[in-house]
Amino acid sequence: AQKVTQAQTEISVVEKEDVTLDCVYETRDTTYYLFWYKQPPSGELVFLIRRNSFDEQNEISGRYSWNFQKSTSSFNFTITASQVVDSAVYFCALSDRNSGNTPLVFGKGTRLSVIA
Amino acid sequence: DTGVSQNPRHKITKRGQNVTFRCDPISEHNRLYWYRQTLGQGPEFLTYFQNEAQLEKSRLLSDRFSAERPKGSFSTLEIQRTEQGDSAMYLCASSLQGRFYEQYFGPGTRLTVT
Repeated sequence: AQKVTQAQTEISVVEKEDVTLDCVYETRDTTYYLFWYKQPPSGELVFLIRRNSFDEQNEISGRYSWNFQKSTSSFNFTITASQVVDSAVYFCALSDRNSGNTPLVFGKGTRLSVIA
Repeated sequence: DTGVSQNPRHKITKRGQNVTFRCDPISEHNRLYWYRQTLGQGPEFLTYFQNEAQLEKSRLLSDRFSAERPKGSFSTLEIQRTEQGDSAMYLCASSLQGRFYEQYFGPGTRLTVT
């Protein structure tokens, strides 16, 4: 069965600090996709990134970077020089062939608070 | 591109009443998904449609829940005889069939059952 674990329930950092959000996933399939979404207080889920299981290259987008390691089944997300606007709940999600490649399986989320 | 819209944004109802939510997907998207998110949890899959056909239903979708997408465009999610445990955010998402991994979410409908 698919499972996504985000062990950090809440993180609080001071503005300009770097912060890493952890995500560990479980799947029996060799083909799968991993995602990160941001949910600000307004409630709408904002797509941040998607990686497929065949692409282990790390990715950087501005202050955001992602570290995908199949060996440890982890897909961690780092925000560099955090800002107050980064305060939100962040969800890691998985979609694999066993789930029909359709519904996303989400972790419970990590609430990030960035303090000015 | 207007994005996924959901109505109403908030709904307060008394236990035992029926409620219906509407989702309008991105116009060219033929797949539509419903998720439920309770406080402090991630979204959980309920059901999805490809055009008019409801292709998959989660075990979370009890017999009090019914979803339709009659013309393959907008979808409705009805909850009959609401219970306090139904209080949650109901999220709708849509995607193109060939790009199932790009699901675009709406703002959600927050249901409170008193």
